[in-house]
Amino acid sequence: DAGVTQSPTHLIKTRGQQVTLRCSPKSGHDTVSWYQQALGQGPQFIFQYYEEEERQRGNFPDRFSGHQFPNYSSELNVNALLLGDSALYLCASSLASGLNEQYFGPGTRLTVT
Amino acid sequence: GENVEQHPSTLSVQEGDSAVIKCTYSDSASNYFPWYKQELGKGPQLIIDIRSNVGEKKDQRIAVTLNKTAKHFSLHITETQPEDSAVYFCAARRGSHGATNKLIFGTGTLLAVQP
Repeated sequence: DAGVTQSPTHLIKTRGQQVTLRCSPKSGHDTVSWYQQALGQGPQFIFQYYEEEERQRGNFPDRFSGHQFPNYSSELNVNALLLGDSALYLCASSLASGLNEQYFGPGTRLTVT
Repeated sequence: GENVEQHPSTLSVQEGDSAVIKCTYSDSASNYFPWYKQELGKGPQLIIDIRSNVGEKKDQRIAVTLNKTAKHFSLHITETQPEDSAVYFCAARRGSHGATNKLIFGTGTLLAVQP
């Protein structure tokens, strides 16, 4: 049973560029949540997708956007990158019905220079 | 606003001793409290969780307690082993079942188990 997978593992971008991160949920899961984890901090909620719609959003600017595909996989897009966007981006998947425990992927380490 | 405080930020114990990490949450509507273990270079791993209708839950060497009146919950690890060394995060969420709500995380505890 494959767990949550994310790609790429690492990414280096220049300030002002755009980036797309990808996530495949755990088999059987239908909900994907994205979190940003700065160094030495706990994960911060960005947004959550269910049934291909953004269901809930954290305190992040519109530069952060996402998408969920019919196969439940998801993308996180960040436009006009800032140095402060450097972080570990985590994807978590869950099943909306039932206990809704969230399982995390290994993350994508984004460095903005 | 929603907030989860976690203490201590670092904890060093001798192998075989117990470790306790404590969290306090602010949102009285929170009903679900998971604990995650994060090893270096990896994503958080769910190790145990508790829902508001339960006061205590145990899984082998790990136990979690919840005091909803005081808005406190704690992680207890007994007979610690070097492989328990990691960063531990507590979290809180509204909706214990079938809900699609965000997790609010604490700031983490770096646990070091000395052999």
